[in-house]
This record gives sequence, C-alpha cells and structure tokens, in this order.
Amino acid sequence: GAGVSQSPSNKVTEKGKDVELRCDPISGHTALYWYRQSLGQGLEFLIYFQGNSAPDKSGLPSDRFSAERTGGSVSTLTIQRTQQEDSAVYLCASSLGGTGGYEQYFGPGTRLTVT
Amino acid sequence: GQNIDQPTEMTATEGAIVQINCTYQTSGFNGLFWYQQHAGEAPTFLSYNVLDGLEEKGRFSSFLSRSKGYSYLLLKELQMKDSASYLCAVSGGSYIPTFGRGTSLIVHP
Repeated sequence: GAGVSQSPSNKVTEKGKDVELRCDPISGHTALYWYRQSLGQGLEFLIYFQGNSAPDKSGLPSDRFSAERTGGSVSTLTIQRTQQEDSAVYLCASSLGGTGGYEQYFGPGTRLTVT
Repeated sequence: GQNIDQPTEMTATEGAIVQINCTYQTSGFNGLFWYQQHAGEAPTFLSYNVLDGLEEKGRFSSFLSRSKGYSYLLLKELQMKDSASYLCAVSGGSYIPTFGRGTSLIVHP
C-alpha cells in the first residue's frame, strides 16, 4: 500500500517568505508527527497530532511555526517569515496509534533551503 | 526532560559483528525503538523493546535493560549495505519518541 508522502520534496525560498509543507499519512493512521533534521543532527520533534488535535506542540521552535491536520488525515506545517536557521529536512511520520509500541512510518521528507 | 546518548560514529569490517550502544534518561518509559537511516533517505523501523531482554530479528538483535537505562543494537554478518545511521528513540511518559543523534556506521571491505 501507499506509504507516507510529503510535498514538495525540495523547497528553496528567500528569507522572510512563508512556506507550507504537506504530509499525507498512511490511511488509518491516527497519529502524525513532524520532525526536522539538520545536517548531521538527530531528529528534532516539532509537533504531534492524535486525530485532528495536537496534544503536544512543545517542540515548535517559535510562533512562526504552526501546523494543522484536517479530516484526521493530511497535515500542513507552515513556517512564516522564514529564517536561514529554518533550513533543514522536515520529516513527517505516522503510526497506527499514539500510545504503545507503534512503529513510526516516515515520509521521504521536504528539504527546505532558506537563502 | 529526556537525554539519549549514542556514539557518533563506528566502523566495522564486512562479515563482522558490531554492537551499537544507547543510554537514556527519561521521564517515564514506554519503549525503545531502533531505526536505520541511509544517507538522504527517511528512517525505517528496525526494532522495538519494552521489556528487558533480547529481541532477535534475522541479522539484527536489540537488547534492553530498563534498570540501567541501556540498550544495544547488534548487527551480525555485516554487509556493505548496512552502512547507515542507526537511531535510538525512546518513548517516554508522553509516548512521543525522542530520538538520539544517531550512530553513523561505516562498513568497509
């Protein structure tokens, strides 16, 4: 079956512009996660959705970052007034549930470059 | 808070065995995951441990000691394609997996 998809795969934007990243999770997966990964770094947690609600937004680095999920499916991560330090690979993952030992299935990521 | 430590880089020879360690300090514990990530690709699931002991799956095994806050991933009969980054992730009290920085494994002939 189809895995997690993300779009765009690559995004180059100018500093100060807004960007929107999209994630399509695996059908039926109730939990959805956003992470970002800078070169040579681990995965930095951003936000978690259970259904359409986000019980944990603690990882969002600033108020320029926001995310939403609609219909218990597609999620968008929006970064306003992008800065160069926002350059990273943004990974989305989904899992069957948010509790217990459910493995996460990752999408291919969106590579964001802020010039 | 949560703290996860693993070596930055390891090298090994094709056909050999390598053990990648992970130590953690977390608020609550609901399981430990290992993921494999090839360069430029997304992480893929390898194993999950929630009880103490060894879980074996083909050439890969994962061990957990909750009392010591310690896990290792054991890779046997190493192949060149095993060259990748191996990520340790701990599910704490919030159930959200927190990832370590990863261990870059280089397998040479």
